[in-house]
Amino acid sequence: DGGITQSPKYLFRKEGQNVTLSCEQNLNHDAMYWYRQDPGQGLRLIYYSQIVNDFQKGDIAEGYSVSREKKESFPLTVTSAQKNPTAFYLCASSSPKGSNEKLFFGSGTQLSVL
Amino acid sequence: EDKVVQSPLSLVVHEGDTVTLNCSYEVTNFRSLLWYKQEKKAPTFLFMLTSSGIEKKSGRLSSILDKKELFSILNITATQTGDSAIYLCAASGGSNYKLTFGKGTLLTVNP
Repeated sequence: DGGITQSPKYLFRKEGQNVTLSCEQNLNHDAMYWYRQDPGQGLRLIYYSQIVNDFQKGDIAEGYSVSREKKESFPLTVTSAQKNPTAFYLCASSSPKGSNEKLFFGSGTQLSVL
Repeated sequence: EDKVVQSPLSLVVHEGDTVTLNCSYEVTNFRSLLWYKQEKKAPTFLFMLTSSGIEKKSGRLSSILDKKELFSILNITATQTGDSAIYLCAASGGSNYKLTFGKGTLLTVNP
């Protein structure tokens, strides 16, 4: 089945630790996105990538880093510089054919700080 | 700054009721308005609207866009408990058609 797989579902971070969230898609989509969702808040864009080996900062990129070495994969690293990392993280992808705005989402990773 | 405002933020109804969810937007270089349903984790796509006044329907759900007044509504008729979810509205615009999301409306349908 085609889709987006995020792992792990739950992740705990100790202070000062970097953690990496995985996102893999087999939809053959060019564009991939990372969003953060806090309770009672909308989705906020962290980073996005429209093509392999290229990515752009979103609205809240500070304290995060990404890479896009393969079309299928767009991992997100939450660094120790992100002082409030507890949130639900959603990865999404879209295809430029047709509508680039129609996003397909993974099931998310809940990150908590120990 | 681009902005999307949804109302109400939460709503509790009984099965069989009809509900209307609202979404207003201020987005430069507006292109489209999208609705998503988030039941547990992954938001799923409902509608994308680009033209004013043309209703889109899918079963008991329908949506329409007013580009003059800068808003959209999502209607759900004969609600069921399975409609309980967060409904997210997003507007695309800007130089790269970036999506700006609203805070969502939490709909609870009681039996």
